[in-house]
Amino acid sequence: GQNIDQPTEMTATEGAIVQINCTYQTSGFNGLFWYQQHAGEAPTFLSYNVLDGLEEKGRFSSFLSRSKGYSYLLLKELQMKDSASYLCAVYTGFQKLVFGTGTRLLVSP
Amino acid sequence: GAVVSQHPSWVICKSGTSVKIECRSLDFQATTMFWYRQFPKQSLMLMATSNEGSKATYEQGVEKDKFLINHASLTLSTLTVTSAHPEDSSFYICSAGRTSGRVSYNEQFFGPGTRLTVL
Repeated sequence: GQNIDQPTEMTATEGAIVQINCTYQTSGFNGLFWYQQHAGEAPTFLSYNVLDGLEEKGRFSSFLSRSKGYSYLLLKELQMKDSASYLCAVYTGFQKLVFGTGTRLLVSP
Repeated sequence: GAVVSQHPSWVICKSGTSVKIECRSLDFQATTMFWYRQFPKQSLMLMATSNEGSKATYEQGVEKDKFLINHASLTLSTLTVTSAHPEDSSFYICSAGRTSGRVSYNEQFFGPGTRLTVL
């Protein structure tokens, strides 16, 4: 089966740093995606990791450890507009994405 | 860029009626399109994978006779919810896949979603 877990909700203050974790157990692995989704909107692509290590892209960074089945998304210098759901998704192959439970992040002033 | 549109963006219908949702890739050809369903405060659940010119592949637990998928061209896939009931009320999102040599993975581009409410 496929199992991708994330914390349900997180809160943080503006300007802070937050780390959203994702653990996965899937039947195949060809990479891990992070998406941002605002309420009522489609997910937007943030990052893709297929090799172990840290990928940095501006205020957002994503880390992957394939041996541990673990990834995290790091958001720095939080802004109010970062309040959204963050979805971890594993690309299992055959173009199929399996999404995690999603983490709702609330950024407060 | 790669833009995917969905129509309608929202629909309210009576129980027992059928609703068709269109998904279009506007500036690229998508041999594969995906249909997801998302209930409130939950993540996206893949319903089916649709390949142009062939039958869709449905995920376990998704009724193929209730959720009819047609992928008639490289830019259009449709999802028809037949005999809709209140429990079918959900946010339906499509995505279009594009194989690109520019990146190392098969990209999926998501549509803006369709909010279905069945009364």
